[in-house]
Amino acid sequence: DAGITQSPRHKVTETGTPVTLRCHQTENHRYMYWYRQDPGHGLRLIHYSYGVKDTDKGEVSDGYSVSRSKTEDFLLTLESATSSQTSVYFCAISERGARDEQYFGPGTRLTVT
Amino acid sequence: RKEVEQDPGPFNVPEGATVAFNCTYSNSASQSFFWYRQDCRKEPKLLMSVYSSGNEDGRFTAQLNRASQYISLLIRDSKLSDSATYLCVVGGATNKLIFGTGTLLAVQP
Repeated sequence: DAGITQSPRHKVTETGTPVTLRCHQTENHRYMYWYRQDPGHGLRLIHYSYGVKDTDKGEVSDGYSVSRSKTEDFLLTLESATSSQTSVYFCAISERGARDEQYFGPGTRLTVT
Repeated sequence: RKEVEQDPGPFNVPEGATVAFNCTYSNSASQSFFWYRQDCRKEPKLLMSVYSSGNEDGRFTAQLNRASQYISLLIRDSKLSDSATYLCVVGGATNKLIFGTGTLLAVQP
């Protein structure tokens, strides 16, 4: 299995609080991605990174920001969590972007009350 | 129209059956194609890449029809352990993969 970890694995937080999720890889892959998965919607891309300090928006980026200061770490921040952001969040990595398969972390279950 | 469309199922099949999943994609510039498997409450895992000439991995066979923008996955001799959601995934001209919503397979004893 690819070396990808996510933390925390589970979190319950209140509406309006900031939340940061961390993805850490040991594969030295250039590309990293954050997805959310909700019933009926499948996996939806939030943001992705194509190198240190290089990021771009996905299809559901509103309310989320990201940072990548090191190759191995990609952070997802919910500036002010809302109940609509209750979801399962997956991080993924790949070597060459969309020409390549992606490998996923174990996911973070986030509940916003 | 969704960029990647799959029949959501569920497909309920007996052990030993052959089952086929289909997937269509809308972007003719797509260059990479994959099938992923996702178990309940787990992360998606790569099952196999799909090549233009078709490819096989044990009991699994994947086919690509670029003209019809169609991908298929065939599972022969289904096992109980094959029960999962199967995701069709397409890569286009950007650095992103597009995921279908998945087809649920339940193999019955």
